[in-house]
Amino acid sequence: GQNIDQPTEMTATEGAIVQINCTYQTSGFNGLFWYQQHAGEAPTFLSYNVLDGLEEKGRFSSFLSRSKGYSYLLLKELQMKDSASYLCAVIDSNYQLIWGAGTKLIIKP
Amino acid sequence: DAMVIQNPRYQVTQFGKPVTLSCSQTLNHNVMYWYQQKSSQAPKLLFHYYDKDFNNEADTPDNFQSRRPNTSFCFLDIRSPGLGDAAMYLCATSSTLRRQPQHFGDGTRLSIL
Repeated sequence: GQNIDQPTEMTATEGAIVQINCTYQTSGFNGLFWYQQHAGEAPTFLSYNVLDGLEEKGRFSSFLSRSKGYSYLLLKELQMKDSASYLCAVIDSNYQLIWGAGTKLIIKP
Repeated sequence: DAMVIQNPRYQVTQFGKPVTLSCSQTLNHNVMYWYQQKSSQAPKLLFHYYDKDFNNEADTPDNFQSRRPNTSFCFLDIRSPGLGDAAMYLCATSSTLRRQPQHFGDGTRLSIL
């Protein structure tokens, strides 16, 4: 079966750095997305990785290692508005999008 | 601004009473998706349209139907809602099926009385 694992919940402090991990076992790989979802709202696109390495976009960076089936989302200079769920999603060999259940990030002052 | 719009944001219906959720897009994207998402769970793909080609997920109940009369609009019909169908329903679009991020509407939260 296809599976994406993320921690259920994480807590971090305002101004700090947090890393949210995602591991996947899928039939093939054609890219990985990270989405942010605030409570009661729709997911919004954050990043896309298809090659190994780090993609930086402002305070957010996303890393991919295809050989390890592993990605992480790094959030720097955390702000209260970053409190949300972060969903990892992988495109498999059939171009189906496989979603993780998301990591709820709680930011404390 | 170009966007994906879902109406209504909140919908309440009675057990067994048909309900229709709507989605429109101004992105001119070829692909439209309907997802069901329950609390703290991953979005579950119900079906998608590539232009007018309809693709049903194997485990989507027959109770769920969809229509796409034109590029801009897509509807989700739930013929006989059960209590287990209470969820957030998300519409999304993408320019193609391959490697393109999906753009989501704000969702419709469906409650069943």
